[in-house]
Amino acid sequence: KQEVTQIPAALSVPEGENLVLNCSFTDSAIYNLQWFRQDPGKGLTSLLLIQSSQREQTSGRLNASLDKSSGRSTLYIAASQPGDSATYLCAVGEETSGSRLTFGEGTQLTVNP
Amino acid sequence: EAGVAQSPRYKIIEKRQSVAFWCNPISGHATLYWYQQILGQGPKLLIQFQNNGVVDDSQLPKDRFSAERLKGVDSTLKIQPAKLEDSAVYLCASSFTGGGTEAFFGQGTRLTVV
Repeated sequence: KQEVTQIPAALSVPEGENLVLNCSFTDSAIYNLQWFRQDPGKGLTSLLLIQSSQREQTSGRLNASLDKSSGRSTLYIAASQPGDSATYLCAVGEETSGSRLTFGEGTQLTVNP
Repeated sequence: EAGVAQSPRYKIIEKRQSVAFWCNPISGHATLYWYQQILGQGPKLLIQFQNNGVVDDSQLPKDRFSAERLKGVDSTLKIQPAKLEDSAVYLCASSFTGGGTEAFFGQGTRLTVV
């Protein structure tokens, strides 16, 4: 059974810092890995999708990497801003279950002005 | 491009009552997911459809939950009878084909069972 773990569970940083969120998964048979952002009381917004054959994806100040063999992904946020405050979730698309998306518990990020 | 639409946004019911949620996926998306997200946790898959067929319902509590996707487009998720522990946000998502394609989520329905 695929298990996805996100570390840390919560993170508080001052504005302007660069930060890294971590995601690990136990079964490397994945199609892809997707990072989402969730604001309080809202749905999930897709940030980055990394296919299993890719090593990284970038969008603006966000960079996500994937090391499929070791079961790890990181989300790097450069020059953090208060508007980045949200919960960040990673999800893996599993090959062995018809592409089910399995989520981690999320990292709650607070960026202080 | 219109996103995934869900209704209602909020619902409060008493335990043992029934409730239904509706989802309209992005046009052309064959795969539709229903997730349950309990406060403070990550979303958990309840059921996955490919067109109008069920791909995965292994985590759906079938004694009280049911879902259908008529004509491979809209979907409804029903709970009958509801329990207190069903209080959660119910998220619908869709993707073009499933494996390897990006999933897009709706705003969710927040259910409170009292």
